[in-house]
Amino acid sequence: GEDVEQSLFLSVREGDSSVINCTYTDSSSTYLYWYKQEPGAGLQLLTYIFSNMDMKQDQRLTVLLNKKDKHLSLRIADTQTGDSAIYFCAFERDDKIIFGKGTRLHILP
Amino acid sequence: DAGVIQSPRHEVTEMGQEVTLRCKPISGHNSLFWYRQTMMRGLELLIYFNNNVPIDDSGMPEDRFSAKMPNASFSTLKIQPSEPRDSAVYFCASSGRYEQYFGPGTRLTVT
Repeated sequence: GEDVEQSLFLSVREGDSSVINCTYTDSSSTYLYWYKQEPGAGLQLLTYIFSNMDMKQDQRLTVLLNKKDKHLSLRIADTQTGDSAIYFCAFERDDKIIFGKGTRLHILP
Repeated sequence: DAGVIQSPRHEVTEMGQEVTLRCKPISGHNSLFWYRQTMMRGLELLIYFNNNVPIDDSGMPEDRFSAKMPNASFSTLKIQPSEPRDSAVYFCASSGRYEQYFGPGTRLTVT
């Protein structure tokens, strides 16, 4: 299977919370990441978490890591239209970053 | 810092032509990565350099693709000859420690 698996699409109403989930294969990664890609732009690091943490909060963003199940999630509180983008889950391996295929977040009015 | 700079932003060329994509990484970063993004395959790592030396080129699709990094501030990705299936967005990224910074990409269309 794929190194990183995440659903391809998610639709959320403006003002609700968005939760994007991913599973990964590599249990030895030190860093796990969420990248955001807006239309016509490159990927931008949104947040990251060390593998020895199980939660990280940064303003509207909450990252949860379940290392035992190799599950990473990103919660965006009070989702805004500007959050519409593709979100990539990723982990580091051998000086490279392994990316998932991305989840396209669509915001409903 | 201006971030990772790529040129051109858009390139339209005919099949069989040579295409050269350029990248200037962030000053001080010692790793540079070339990616290709398509709807079908998503984001693919083509090649990466560490201290200007190619470390892993296993993602380069064929011999038509080549990449160089003559110095710490410049890299090129060349496709010769180009084919319609090479149409994609090509990203360059640079990294100092654990985070990769992406350029805006070059959208390549081969007709």
